[in-house]
Amino acid sequence: DAMVIQNPRYQVTQFGKPVTLSCSQTLNHNVMYWYQQKSSQAPKLLFHYYDKDFNNEADTPDNFQSRRPNTSFCFLDIRSPGLGDAAMYLCATSREIDSYEQYFGPGTRLTVT
Amino acid sequence: GQQLNQSPQSMFIQEGEDVSMNCTSSSIFNTWLWYKQDPGEGPVLLIALYKAGELTSNGRLTAQFGITRKDSFLNISASIPSDVGIYFCAGPPNDYKLSFGAGTTVTVRA
Repeated sequence: DAMVIQNPRYQVTQFGKPVTLSCSQTLNHNVMYWYQQKSSQAPKLLFHYYDKDFNNEADTPDNFQSRRPNTSFCFLDIRSPGLGDAAMYLCATSREIDSYEQYFGPGTRLTVT
Repeated sequence: GQQLNQSPQSMFIQEGEDVSMNCTSSSIFNTWLWYKQDPGEGPVLLIALYKAGELTSNGRLTAQFGITRKDSFLNISASIPSDVGIYFCAGPPNDYKLSFGAGTTVTVRA
């Protein structure tokens, strides 16, 4: 089945220790998104890639970076995680930039100790 | 970003009941989406609506795109225990970004 896959599902990192979360998709969609979701809140968009074009949200901290080496894969790098970065991180895809239907992966739950 | 007002915030429902939730916006949307999120999982797209007045079903779920284009409704008929979760409405105020409602948490009493 075509899908969005996130690894790992659970990640524990230490305060200040860089961490990378990964996302892959078999949908062949052009757009990939990263969201942060804290408890009992709606997902919050961090950035997205439209093909190779990176688009950062204005309020996304510099601590968060992303890479998209090819159509299928996208990575979220957190350079120096703080306790406030503990959250669920969701990857999503859409076919085109004006295709509003976004398809989410299962998420990675990040814990910062 | 654009605020979507979703209500109710939470609901307890009896198994077998029909329930409704809604979402409103202060501006016009051209698309409404409804997602369900189970605990510890990502949101799953349930229904997408593209036309004012459109009524679309997915199994026991029915969603409507309001005539004013500023609201949408989701109905669940004959609730079952697996309907538990958080339901989010979402819509695109611009080309790529979805605004999400705060979610409706549904808990089913067996």
